[in-house]
Amino acid sequence: GAGVSQSPSNKVTEKGKDVELRCDPISGHTALYWYRQSLGQGLEFLIYFQGNSAPDKSGLPSDRFSAERTGGSVSTLTIQRTQQEDSAVYLCASSFPGVPQHFGDGTRLSIL
Amino acid sequence: RKEVEQDPGPFNVPEGATVAFNCTYSNSASQSFFWYRQDCRKEPKLLMSVYSSGNEDGRFTAQLNRASQYISLLIRDSKLSDSATYLCVVAIKAAGNKLTFGGGTRVLVKP
Repeated sequence: GAGVSQSPSNKVTEKGKDVELRCDPISGHTALYWYRQSLGQGLEFLIYFQGNSAPDKSGLPSDRFSAERTGGSVSTLTIQRTQQEDSAVYLCASSFPGVPQHFGDGTRLSIL
Repeated sequence: RKEVEQDPGPFNVPEGATVAFNCTYSNSASQSFFWYRQDCRKEPKLLMSVYSSGNEDGRFTAQLNRASQYISLLIRDSKLSDSATYLCVVAIKAAGNKLTFGGGTRVLVKP
């Protein structure tokens, strides 16, 4: 499809395991964002990629979280040594700079 | 202070009534403004952009006040289907045009 694609849609894992979440942005979009949203809460900014610029990592909550974007397209968000408080919906969005973002359906992460 | 602040609500609105709410932003360099809508357990979706002169899209009217650094959204003739969380978004060119979201205002339209 032409939208932002995220995988997996749901992920259940045990505390302490590492997880990788994937985002395929809309083709040609140079900006890519990761957010997370806990149940009933607002969007929490995690990281922002824009073209070849150094990513804005100011929202990453701890050094267990990292993200990369290969070839200016697909992005992977990695959470190491997961904790129960990491349980949330992780949303990816892409856009041209400064214009409205298009969101994926999100990955619902549950840490047991 | 958060960069983008919203009253979390909820705003309880009788069906057919008008509701309005604001969003304030702290960075005077903010250049682009949007309202998004998020339904429960769904991803946010763009509702409308906000232009300097104000703009209307059907029952929705958005206004921008640069001097006081706020934007507003007004919903006329509220429908039950308008129940959602409305997210205010600003883009700051100096920050690489990064889009910053407010925490959202929850609106509940009741029969």
